[in-house]
Amino acid sequence: EIVLTQSPGTLSLSPGDRATLSCRASQSVGSGYLAWYQQKPGQTPRLLIYGASRRAAGIPDRFSGTGTGTDFTLTISRLQPEDFAVYYCQYYGLSPFTFGGGTKVEIK
Amino acid sequence: EVQLVESGGGLVKPGGSLRLSCAASDFVFDTFSMNWVRQAPGKGLEWVSSISGSSTYIYYADSVRGRFTISRDNAKNSVYLQMNSLRAEDTAVYYCARGIGWDQIYFDYWGLGTLVTVSS
Repeated sequence: EIVLTQSPGTLSLSPGDRATLSCRASQSVGSGYLAWYQQKPGQTPRLLIYGASRRAAGIPDRFSGTGTGTDFTLTISRLQPEDFAVYYCQYYGLSPFTFGGGTKVEIK
Repeated sequence: EVQLVESGGGLVKPGGSLRLSCAASDFVFDTFSMNWVRQAPGKGLEWVSSISGSSTYIYYADSVRGRFTISRDNAKNSVYLQMNSLRAEDTAVYYCARGIGWDQIYFDYWGLGTLVTVSS
């Protein structure tokens, strides 16, 4: 089973700042079978990124995903008020399709 | 717009059973995998189970294998999760999610979830 470790646990930033979220896998995830989701309080998760770097439909280009092997990053170039939320990475190359523990992006 | 509506949650005693349902609409149901993901109160997301379009591929998390059974009825555009031998640690919001892929699956649409509480 691949274990995903997200860091930091909480990121305190201001609107307009750049956010850099990390997701580290316990072993290589192969051909980028890594997705990112956003979840706002009381809401359902929303797919942002799949294939490590491909934006899902309707996702603004301020969201970008990079990485390969065991180290992946979600970057939000300029935080908007609606971006303050919890972000999860997910491995999907092989069952079990594990999630990371999440990173909360909060207003500083 | 894709819609996924879960039902069947509620309060159940430890050792009891519950069957969750998810009704899907506005997409060709049997061409997508369907999945259950849960979230315990105040915690993160945990993948539970997945089933491919023709039910050929079925997967379970270790935490539920042998106790939960996923199934689907393509004629009814519905997916189900039969949960037996429930434990307190199964308490969570259970989300139904549409999956992209048969055996390498990420989730592009999610329902609003149904709450399962296991308590005496």
